[in-house]
This record gives sequence, C-alpha cells and structure tokens, in this order.
Amino acid sequence: LAKTTQPISMDSYEGQEVNITCSHNNIATNDYITWYQQFPSQGPRFIIQGYKTKVTNEVASLFIPADRKSSTLSLPRVSLSDTAVYYCLVGATGRRALTFGSGTRLQVQP
Amino acid sequence: GAGVSQSPSNKVTEKGKDVELRCDPISGHTALYWYRQSLGQGLEFLIYFQGNSAPDKSGLPSDRFSAERTGGSVSTLTIQRTQQEDSAVYLCASSYGTGGNYEQYFGPGTRLTVT
Repeated sequence: LAKTTQPISMDSYEGQEVNITCSHNNIATNDYITWYQQFPSQGPRFIIQGYKTKVTNEVASLFIPADRKSSTLSLPRVSLSDTAVYYCLVGATGRRALTFGSGTRLQVQP
Repeated sequence: GAGVSQSPSNKVTEKGKDVELRCDPISGHTALYWYRQSLGQGLEFLIYFQGNSAPDKSGLPSDRFSAERTGGSVSTLTIQRTQQEDSAVYLCASSYGTGGNYEQYFGPGTRLTVT
C-alpha cells in the first residue's frame, strides 16, 4: 500500500493561497492521487484527482512533479469555510488500497 | 439525486450488546466501503464490497465485526458484543468502481457510543 505523509496542521488567513504537500515515496505506476475534504460531523468529499503534471478545477489545483513522489494541493484565496481536514490518498483501479491517514487540519482565520 | 444514506445517525448502546448499522449506497454504484473514524483521527478502512466478488474484509479489527451487502445494494455492518473502544463514527461510501481513480461518495455517518 502506498503510504502518504502530510503535515498534521496548517494555519492561514482569509484571502491567502494555501499549499498542502503530501509525500508518497512508494507510489506505484498505476496509482492516482486524490484529495478529499472533511468538515466536522460530515463524511469526506472529493476535491480533486490527478495522475501527473497539473490538474485544476473550480475549487483547487493539484501539482504533481515528474517523479510523482509528492503532490501539492493548492487552494486559492481561502475563506473561513475552507477550514477542514484535507486527506491525500493514492491508489489504483482494482485495488481498494486507499489509506486515508490522519490528514491535514487547515484552520483559516479572519 | 440521492446521495449515500446511513441509519441510524446516532446510536447509544450498552457494552456487550449487538448493533447493526445500515448503509444505502447511490443507485448504480457497484463498490461499497465501510470506514471507522475515532474522535480527531483519520479514517480506518474496515471492509469493501465490489459487485458480486467476495468482500475484502482485511480491515475488520476483530471477529466481532461483520458486514453483508444484499442484492448488491444495501449493506449492514454488525458489531457483536460491543466494547467501549468501538465508540466512533462509522462511515459508508460508494463508488462506480474500486480503486484510486474512482471518486468515493460518503454518507453522513453513524455515531456509535458504547456505554
């Protein structure tokens, strides 16, 4: 199973860009990288997914270097509502190998 | 459309009693996952079902835990002889397929408290 390492917590202020990096040194060739967001008392929800290079959607960007041993979730101009726990996962089709880990607790202050 | 639903939302039980937790996945999703989340912790994988294949039970913490999925849809997680350390939020998720490139849709969870 591909193990991931993320910072336990991060603090930011409204309007700033936040970058959360995840290390996954033993990522396999077929593994995708997926980020989930979890608010208190809710189940996680999908944010973004990528395989290599850069992916952008309406809420975030995901940067993946060529060696794919790490990835960075970028949240532009965060607001108070972005306060949540963010999980990085790696896994491939046909394998249930999705280890959520402890995630990164992001606290956005006014 | 309807998302993943779980029932009950909260369950308080006495140590030693059995409990059943229910999950209704999104219609058409062939994969169903159960996770456990203790207070302030990450998600712990318990079990997953994919279509008619044998479930992957490798995450179940003890033989007191079991799960079934009837007709490829609704799933029930059963915990026998509950212990205080079983207290946690139990989350169910479903997806179109298994693995890392399929988005998992989570239910709101069942908060289990064992007294």
